Amino acid sequence: GQQVMQIPQYQHVQEGEDFTTYCNSSTTLSNIQWYKQRPGGHPVFLIQLVKSGEVKKQKRLTFQFGEAKKNSSLHITATQTTDVGTYFCAGPPSNYKLTFGKGTLLTVNP
Amino acid sequence: DAGVTQSPTHLIKTRGQQVTLRCSPISGHKSVSWYQQVLGQGPQFIFQYYEKEERGRGNFPDRFSARQFPNYSSELNVNALLLGDSALYLCASSKTGSNQPQHFGDGTRLSIL
Repeated sequence: GQQVMQIPQYQHVQEGEDFTTYCNSSTTLSNIQWYKQRPGGHPVFLIQLVKSGEVKKQKRLTFQFGEAKKNSSLHITATQTTDVGTYFCAGPPSNYKLTFGKGTLLTVNP
Repeated sequence: DAGVTQSPTHLIKTRGQQVTLRCSPISGHKSVSWYQQVLGQGPQFIFQYYEKEERGRGNFPDRFSARQFPNYSSELNVNALLLGDSALYLCASSKTGSNQPQHFGDGTRLSIL
């Protein structure tokens, strides 16, 4: 079945440093979704990318979808303590299932 | 508008017992999906329901079952509980399915003793 892999598993940064997490799918995706889960919370939808090579920005967050629609990345510029949490990518092998990666846990030292 | 609501928030059961978890989707959302999340892992897909029909099933044993009601709310049932069933069970709703953003509830924390 489809596998979604994320690296790194953990990332600790100083406040103000940049952060990037990478996501790779074993199969081509129709779209990719990114979620953020704060400690003790539930996943919260961030963004959905649909087109090959698509790049979207949300303030300090930049999301990319690969040309082959099998990989994606999330880059945070100048991290803040409010960015702490686990970032998940998720890809639907169909409209009837969503496969999540294991996530990247980001901690930020103030 | 109210978000996805789940009940109960916490539950403690013993091995061999049965449990029912409940979920109410966002108004207007017809698709409900269930996920199991163990500590340090991403949510694992269990079921997706749409218009009361099961449309997708993850790699979980038959002890797991679910249903969706005419008002689009849903229940997840787990029989013959095992220690390994201890996890956070998340419900997510969307308008039509997995190709759309999923809106998660706060989850039910299930502990098996």
